[in-house]
Amino acid sequence: DAGITQSPRHKVTETGTPVTLRCHQTENHRYMYWYRQDPGHGLRLIHYSYGVKDTDKGEVSDGYSVSRSKTEDFLLTLESATSSQTSVYFCAISGGIGTEAFFGQGTRLTVV
Amino acid sequence: GENVEQHPSTLSVQEGDSAVIKCTYSDSASNYFPWYKQELGKRPQLIIDIRSNVGEKKDQRIAVTLNKTAKHFSLHITETQPEDSAVYFCAARDNFGNEKLTFGTGTRLTIIP
Repeated sequence: DAGITQSPRHKVTETGTPVTLRCHQTENHRYMYWYRQDPGHGLRLIHYSYGVKDTDKGEVSDGYSVSRSKTEDFLLTLESATSSQTSVYFCAISGGIGTEAFFGQGTRLTVV
Repeated sequence: GENVEQHPSTLSVQEGDSAVIKCTYSDSASNYFPWYKQELGKRPQLIIDIRSNVGEKKDQRIAVTLNKTAKHFSLHITETQPEDSAVYFCAARDNFGNEKLTFGTGTRLTIIP
């Protein structure tokens, strides 16, 4: 398996609190992605990065921000968590144009 | 932006029969089309992919076809087995340098013994 680790794996948080999810890779891959997975919606892109400090929005970016200050880490922040952000979050990495994207184990986030 | 549609959302086939899942994409600039399999409680994993300069690719019981003119691509699984039961996702990736990867909504495939 590609060297990609998500933390935490599970989290329960209260509405209105900030939450940060971390994706860490040891592959030195350029591209990193954050997706959320919900029943009936598949994998929806939240934000992605094509280099250090180079990020862009995906289709469901509202309420989320990201940062990538170094190649190996891509952080996803929910500034003020809402119940609609209860989901499974997957990070993915990819090394180059037209190459395979590898997924992390996922983080199950519950907002109560 | 890119929009990927996937059909059907659920599919049941008898063991040994073939299964076909279809996807369409909207951005003609997309040039890489992977397929992922996700078993229950696990992460998605790549099973096959195709690039825009290729019309068909096979890997044992799995094949993918691409029609660039019509902007659709399909996954074909032959001689299905119980372990093929999973959720399958298609995706499209652009070639603008930022490699945005957009997924379809998934197909839950059930193989009936």
